[in-house]
Amino acid sequence: GAVVSQHPSRVICKSGTSVKIECRSLDFQATTMFWYRQFPKQSLMLMATSNEGSKATYEQGVEKDKFLINHASLTLSTLTVTSAHPEDSSFYICSARLAGGTETQYFGPGTRLLVL
Amino acid sequence: SQQGEEDPQALSIQEGENATMNCSYKTSINNLQWYRQNSGRGLVHLILIRSNEREKHSGRLRVTLDTSKKSSSLLITASRAADTASYFCATGLITGANSKLTFGKGITLSVRP
Repeated sequence: GAVVSQHPSRVICKSGTSVKIECRSLDFQATTMFWYRQFPKQSLMLMATSNEGSKATYEQGVEKDKFLINHASLTLSTLTVTSAHPEDSSFYICSARLAGGTETQYFGPGTRLLVL
Repeated sequence: SQQGEEDPQALSIQEGENATMNCSYKTSINNLQWYRQNSGRGLVHLILIRSNEREKHSGRLRVTLDTSKKSSSLLITASRAADTASYFCATGLITGANSKLTFGKGITLSVRP
């Protein structure tokens, strides 16, 4: 149980385009989902916390207009990287927390974004 | 700000040996969690220890937590080649109905067959 999927697993796009990444909880409801970014051989950095039905909470230094987050249902959150640039190339990982739970997060397999 | 700092940064051992990885943190926590990440993949949750616990076991994993020293250790006994991965500690802080994980930089474990 507690499986989280991400789509796509990898994407290559041209500079200036927008890319949408989906995060789904497959067998449970997640009131809260988290979006992380990971550079090669680096740690995961929390970008934002996404609560179903409300606006996402962004971490300091993360541009909310650049990284649009929508959490429209209890099983789906999307991250849209708008007007992507090469410096946005990274590994994006989402996680989901069980509705009513507070401690454990279940992570998706990640999406590798390469902006040319 | 980054919480956990793992030590060592890289560890190479022979199959069958034990692997000990350490994590230190700076501020108050509610729990500390260890995750494994295989190259280019997502994270797998290994074990969670709460701030009022001192030791926990799960299969070949043993984790300790010393809140006075703000440190934790993860011991993998009888290591296998399949244990080769990056290991991250993450400190968990619960505020009301919300919680946040802050990850360390990770330890690269190589288990030689």
